[in-house]
Amino acid sequence: SAVISQKPSRDICQRGTSLTIQCQVDSQVTMMFWYRQQPGQSLTLIATANQGSEATYESGFVIDKFPISRPNLTFSTLTVSNMSPEDSSIYLCSVAWAGEGAQHFGDGTRLSIL
Amino acid sequence: QKEVEQDPGPLSVPEGAIVSLNCTYSNSAFQYFMWYRQYSRKGPELLMYTYSSGNKEDGRFTAQVDKSSKYISLFIRDSQPSDSATYLCAMSATGANSKLTFGKGITLSVRP
Repeated sequence: SAVISQKPSRDICQRGTSLTIQCQVDSQVTMMFWYRQQPGQSLTLIATANQGSEATYESGFVIDKFPISRPNLTFSTLTVSNMSPEDSSIYLCSVAWAGEGAQHFGDGTRLSIL
Repeated sequence: QKEVEQDPGPLSVPEGAIVSLNCTYSNSAFQYFMWYRQYSRKGPELLMYTYSSGNKEDGRFTAQVDKSSKYISLFIRDSQPSDSATYLCAMSATGANSKLTFGKGITLSVRP
């Protein structure tokens, strides 16, 4: 099975700063997604990363706060901008291949904001 | 009402027990149903995937979907300490190429 790598695995950041999270897959994928997992809450989709075009955001998430890039079929980044303590969470990248029924996840980035 | 409800847990069972994990949902458009297992400090790992209603078995794991009742279950037979993890149900209307809606997850502990 493919390897999905996320960097960094964890970070502690100051409020007001921004952090870019990378997701790298060792094979080409059809779809890439970004989810957030907050303590005691369900995994929630932030956006679908579209190759070569703007990401598609879910209700409650905006591009200015969570800009996303997907320059090719194996790589995507999520930036968490102007961070506040409420952004402390686990951010997860998931991928799907054409014809497959389910998404597969990386190990996530654990982010704490002081 | 949340789209997906999952028994909150935590759940603790002795080794060898049969475990039943359940989720209910409200969106009748859901047709793809998944169970993920998540170990501490790891990402969710796909355990079972089912399309529409019916049963699916994989080793010690059986997934059941009852669309008429909007109810899905995961059964674990002969549970092992290595099964101790958080289990997440997830579902979507159109498959892997679209948004997954998750339950909150239930933490299972299997006592040796």
